[in-house]
Amino acid sequence: AQRVTQPEKLLSVFKGAPVELKCNYSYSGSPELFWYVQYSRQRLQLLLRHISRESIKGFTADLNKGETSFHLKKPFAQEEDSAMYYCALHAGFQKLVFGTGTRLLVSP
Amino acid sequence: SAVISQKPSRDICQRGTSLTIQCQVDSQVTMMFWYRQQPGQSLTLIATANQGSEATYESGFVIDKFPISRPNLTFSTLTVSNMSPEDSSIYLCSAGTGAYNEQFFGPGTRLTVL
Repeated sequence: AQRVTQPEKLLSVFKGAPVELKCNYSYSGSPELFWYVQYSRQRLQLLLRHISRESIKGFTADLNKGETSFHLKKPFAQEEDSAMYYCALHAGFQKLVFGTGTRLLVSP
Repeated sequence: SAVISQKPSRDICQRGTSLTIQCQVDSQVTMMFWYRQQPGQSLTLIATANQGSEATYESGFVIDKFPISRPNLTFSTLTVSNMSPEDSSIYLCSAGTGAYNEQFFGPGTRLTVL
């Protein structure tokens, strides 16, 4: 079955601290994974996609097929990073399966 | 990318009534989707809106309850029929642009059923 697991509902860190939001997936084929972010009172938006191997707003995510993980990392968190983060798996026919989300709270 | 708008942004409805939500995309897209996001929960796919044919529903969702129209490549509607308080949720429209299989989302419609 296709499944995305985000084990942490809430991650609270101080400004300047490193951040890692965990994402594990279950998929029989070659996975395509994404991170979406939802800032307060804004719509859900794409943060990054694994296939592009990009860094957006200082965030990176590496696909680890051995551990079936796609953790989101940032070396130094900023207050403006506070938001809801969703990991998503492409499940075929452009359908996405979302994890339950992790709320990141960055305190000054 | 695609810019997506939804109407209405929110509504409060009485039990037993129906509400139609509109979704407009600023460019032609092949795939459009409808999601439900219940309070404190993640997004659950309701159906894929197919242009020129019936929508494809996910397990647990049926056409009688959530009829969908897709008259062209830029527009879709979702109707929530015979509503009950359990239908109170945020309903999201999204479009797939096909480049990397990602989707772009509308702002959502917050529905409250009394």
